[in-house]
Amino acid sequence: GAGVSQSPRYKVAKRGQDVALRCDPISGHVSLFWYQQALGQGPEFLTYFQNEAQLDKSGLPSDRFFAERPEGSVSTLKIQRTQQEDSAVYLCASSLGEDRVYYGYTFGSGTRLTVV
Amino acid sequence: GNSVTQMEGPVTLSEEAFLTINCTYTATGYPSLFWYVQYPGEGLQLLLKATKADDKGSNKGFEATYRKETTSFHLEKGSVQVSDSAVYFCALRKTTDSWGKLQFGAGTQVVVTP
Repeated sequence: GAGVSQSPRYKVAKRGQDVALRCDPISGHVSLFWYQQALGQGPEFLTYFQNEAQLDKSGLPSDRFFAERPEGSVSTLKIQRTQQEDSAVYLCASSLGEDRVYYGYTFGSGTRLTVV
Repeated sequence: GNSVTQMEGPVTLSEEAFLTINCTYTATGYPSLFWYVQYPGEGLQLLLKATKADDKGSNKGFEATYRKETTSFHLEKGSVQVSDSAVYFCALRKTTDSWGKLQFGAGTQVVVTP
């Protein structure tokens, strides 16, 4: 596609509910990143994929967070047993090469998750 | 550890005014530095970048110079327009980090009034 697409755009979850957030990167982009952006804060790194391989998950805040990219394109970020502190905008970004940050990423518009 | 500190917003100014957003960083070595912009309802967009000391990044009338001696990367624009209203994020990437993950500041909201 022309850009990075994220769905849903908004998600309201009851505390304890599981959620799945989807990211469709630009076709052919090797690298995919997930970031978490709390209200009034800058994005914080969660995890990185190079094709289907998850090479860095050091930013995932707990074992309730899980991400996958099984075919090296679409990625899903799953949060189990959501808690109020999980409320944030979740951003996905993709990049053409495995080390192409020089050219910047293409960010999606994000999914705003609200846990009530 | 590495960190990025930006001036707090909101910054409110009139059209055609001069804009400066301060950004300082803490990092080992020589990180690459970036400014991203987020317009309402849109994703983050790369505004400009600099990869080594004394480099000047520029785009759309915005400029920022990588100052190693003051560990700063301040964003400037000489004459802002209403369309420049957005949130601006300063970010760094460690040169030793091969994945290219970015560390962002908290963002500065800019509001330009006619």
